[in-house]
Amino acid sequence: KAGVTQTPRYLIKTRGQQVTLSCSPISGHRSVSWYQQTPGQGLQFLFEYFSETQRNKGNFPGRFSGRQFSNSRSEMNVSTLELGDSALYLCASSPGQLEPHEQYFGPGTRLTVT
Amino acid sequence: GQNIDQPTEMTATEGAIVQINCTYQTSGFNGLFWYQQHAGEAPTFLSYNVLDGLEEKGRFSSFLSRSKGYSYLLLKELQMKDSASYLCAVRFTGGGNKLTFGTGTQLKVEL
Repeated sequence: KAGVTQTPRYLIKTRGQQVTLSCSPISGHRSVSWYQQTPGQGLQFLFEYFSETQRNKGNFPGRFSGRQFSNSRSEMNVSTLELGDSALYLCASSPGQLEPHEQYFGPGTRLTVT
Repeated sequence: GQNIDQPTEMTATEGAIVQINCTYQTSGFNGLFWYQQHAGEAPTFLSYNVLDGLEEKGRFSSFLSRSKGYSYLLLKELQMKDSASYLCAVRFTGGGNKLTFGTGTQLKVEL
């Protein structure tokens, strides 16, 4: 079974631009969560989508948004990029059952904002 | 808050045993996960505890005490490839699949 895939793997943008990142979960998984990882803050939860609905949201500004499609693939968008948005963005998929035991992480998208 | 605390760095010798501790706030606790992350790679799942006690999986074991808000990851027969960051993460009730992560413990295994 294929793992979680994320595209692109690396991205360089300038301040003020916007960016869209994509995540394809493991086949059959319906829950996709997004995390931001930085050296100073560690892994921080952005949001979770389940069956095309946002189920949870972290403490990030409204510039960070996401969506999920009917095939469970998810995208996240960051508008008006700031230097501090430079980070590794990870998505994780899980079956989405009431008590999942594991989340499987993708390889991440490394975003650099200059 | 839902702070997750773990040591920043640890060093151990190849072949030895190391214990990485994690403490968290007990209110709303609904499961604790340990992940391993090598530099430049995605976190990989190691263990899950939701009830008190020890879960053993090969060279790795994880312990949980819900009343104390305490967990540890035990790595036996350390190998050089175990050098990585170890992340403690907690799921709280009402959060769906949201995990709150500690900042990770960077483990260095030396000869």
